[in-house]
Amino acid sequence: AQSVTQLDSQVPVFEEAPVELRCNYSSSVSVYLFWYVQYPNQGLQLLLKYLSGSTLVKGINGFEAEFNKSQTSFHLRKPSVHISDTAEYFCAVSDKDSNYQLIWGAGTKLIIKP
Amino acid sequence: DAMVIQNPRYQVTQFGKPVTLSCSQTLNHNVMYWYQQKSSQAPKLLFHYYDKDFNNEADTPDNFQSRRPNTSFCFLDIRSPGLGDAAMYLCATSRGRDYNEQFFGPGTRLTVL
Repeated sequence: AQSVTQLDSQVPVFEEAPVELRCNYSSSVSVYLFWYVQYPNQGLQLLLKYLSGSTLVKGINGFEAEFNKSQTSFHLRKPSVHISDTAEYFCAVSDKDSNYQLIWGAGTKLIIKP
Repeated sequence: DAMVIQNPRYQVTQFGKPVTLSCSQTLNHNVMYWYQQKSSQAPKLLFHYYDKDFNNEADTPDNFQSRRPNTSFCFLDIRSPGLGDAAMYLCATSRGRDYNEQFFGPGTRLTVL
């Protein structure tokens, strides 16, 4: 069965510094990959998605992610973070075996230090 | 703007007192989902509707029920809330059962006293 691992529960980073949030999944057969962001006391908002095609995916708010099939990873990156990026970030995967239900990672809290 | 709306945003109930949370959508999506999310955890799928077809997750307690009277609306009923049911409840929609990009509402924060 598919599983998703977000290795870091928290990532502290200084404002204007680059950041990478890591996501690995277990099965690489025809997966669809998503990153969602959740601000405090709000619902989840889609940052970006990989369905097919180019392995480098650009999303909203300056985020991008790279699909790496051989490493079964979909890491999220931003070259320069802002205080407004403080939030929790969830990686999710869907595939045929999961009946296309989203399998969620545990989330990573991005903490921006001034 | 097309969206997913949840009411109320904050709900307080007493232990054992039934409560209903509501969700509506203007996206005209076929699938509607209810998730439970506890603090600092990933969302946990409770059930979903594909049109009128109800799909319950195996580990969803019987205490949780859902209704979808039409395409636009979906309700979550908690028959006898316990302290452990205090959580954020998220409604989401998706167009279909394909790659499953889901669109989320703002959530309802449930407090059980």
